[in-house]
Amino acid sequence: GENVEQHPSTLSVQEGDSAVIKCTYSDSASNYFPWYKQELGKRPQLIIDIRSNVGEKKDQRIAVTLNKTAKHFSLHITETQPEDSAVYFCAARPTGFQKLVFGTGTRLLVSP
Amino acid sequence: NAGVTQTPKFQVLKTGQSMTLQCAQDMNHEYMSWYRQDPGMGLRLIHYSVGAGITDQGEVPNGYNVSRSTTEDFPLRLLSAAPSQTSVYFCASSYGPGIEKLFFGSGTQLSVL
Repeated sequence: GENVEQHPSTLSVQEGDSAVIKCTYSDSASNYFPWYKQELGKRPQLIIDIRSNVGEKKDQRIAVTLNKTAKHFSLHITETQPEDSAVYFCAARPTGFQKLVFGTGTRLLVSP
Repeated sequence: NAGVTQTPKFQVLKTGQSMTLQCAQDMNHEYMSWYRQDPGMGLRLIHYSVGAGITDQGEVPNGYNVSRSTTEDFPLRLLSAAPSQTSVYFCASSYGPGIEKLFFGSGTQLSVL
């Protein structure tokens, strides 16, 4: 079955810096890759997603890139702000399966 | 719309007790699912449903049971609680079977002593 690995597990940056979180997946047939943000004590919320027929997608300060050949995708946050501090989860959806397989999460801390 | 509503928010059980975690959504979503969240292990799928009367197992189904008698409700039953089931449980729903944009409930913190 699908396996998603996420790195790093923790990431500390200064306000205004960029942050990059990487995920690799094992099933080459996976076709949908969302990113969820979970603030402390809150529920996960979708922040951006990408389908396998797209290489990059941007939404203001966040972007996701997908490399199907290498089977990895990344979340890029530019001009980080303290409110970006949270745990970020990547996920992959195997083709033909109605489920998401999540990575283990990255705790991002943005210091003022 | 209330979205996805989970009850209770907190629960303490003794080993061997049974209980039901409730989940309801008012968005007419066909897809509903249950995840457990443990430190360092991300979100792991327990069970899911693509519509009323249809359920299937996820990655970690042992010790849990589900049913889907209506579109709105998807309860999770712990048959005989064990300390290994101490976790935060999230219910999530999505409009279509493609699971694009999951809406999560606020979670249930469960401790099994």
